Amino acid sequence: DVKVTQSSRYLVKRTGEKVFLECVQDMDHENMFWYRQDPGLGLRLIYFSYDVKMKEKGDIPEGYSVSREKKERFSLILESASTNQTSMYLCASSLGTEPFYQPQHFGDGTRLSIL
Amino acid sequence: ELKVEQNPLFLSMQEEKNYTIYCNYSTTSDRLYWYRQDPGKSLESLFVLLSNGAVKQEGRLMASLDTKARLSTLHITAAVHDLSATYFCAVSFTGTASKLTFGTGTRLQVTL
Repeated sequence: DVKVTQSSRYLVKRTGEKVFLECVQDMDHENMFWYRQDPGLGLRLIYFSYDVKMKEKGDIPEGYSVSREKKERFSLILESASTNQTSMYLCASSLGTEPFYQPQHFGDGTRLSIL
Repeated sequence: ELKVEQNPLFLSMQEEKNYTIYCNYSTTSDRLYWYRQDPGKSLESLFVLLSNGAVKQEGRLMASLDTKARLSTLHITAAVHDLSATYFCAVSFTGTASKLTFGTGTRLQVTL
């Protein structure tokens, strides 16, 4: 079974802090994704990566950056945390090769509160 | 614009009743997924629908895809309490490779 592990289930940080959310997958997947989930808005894509050291902006990248130095690890960085970044953050991974229809596999999520 | 609309947002239904969740999307897609999320848990993949007319069934859940209408449905037959969860559809739009655009989710509550 694919395992996507997020480093923290709950995190509380202060406004202006630099925040790191870590995600590790153990299935050698090429693709990794960061989403935020808010009530009534579903999941929105922040950033994704198709390969090591490669990143692409999703639908809501403002205020975030990412790092992918190793294939199994994808980090989300809040450069200067703000209260409107309080949310549930979900990491996912998927195969980048055939069959392309394989679903994304999700981690358990990190509930981040910015005070 | 790449949009996925799901309705209803909330569905309260009695056990043994049937109901349908609808997922409309804005433009051509390569494939469509249905996920389930239990409270406090992660998303679990239920179905992948690849072509027009595709139908997948698992237990009391059946998903179908009409690419001409840009519509997928998730039909629940004879609901039971264990099906209480939030259900999301997600679309891989043509030309966007492995990216998914999610619907807002439908929170299903099955009451005794």
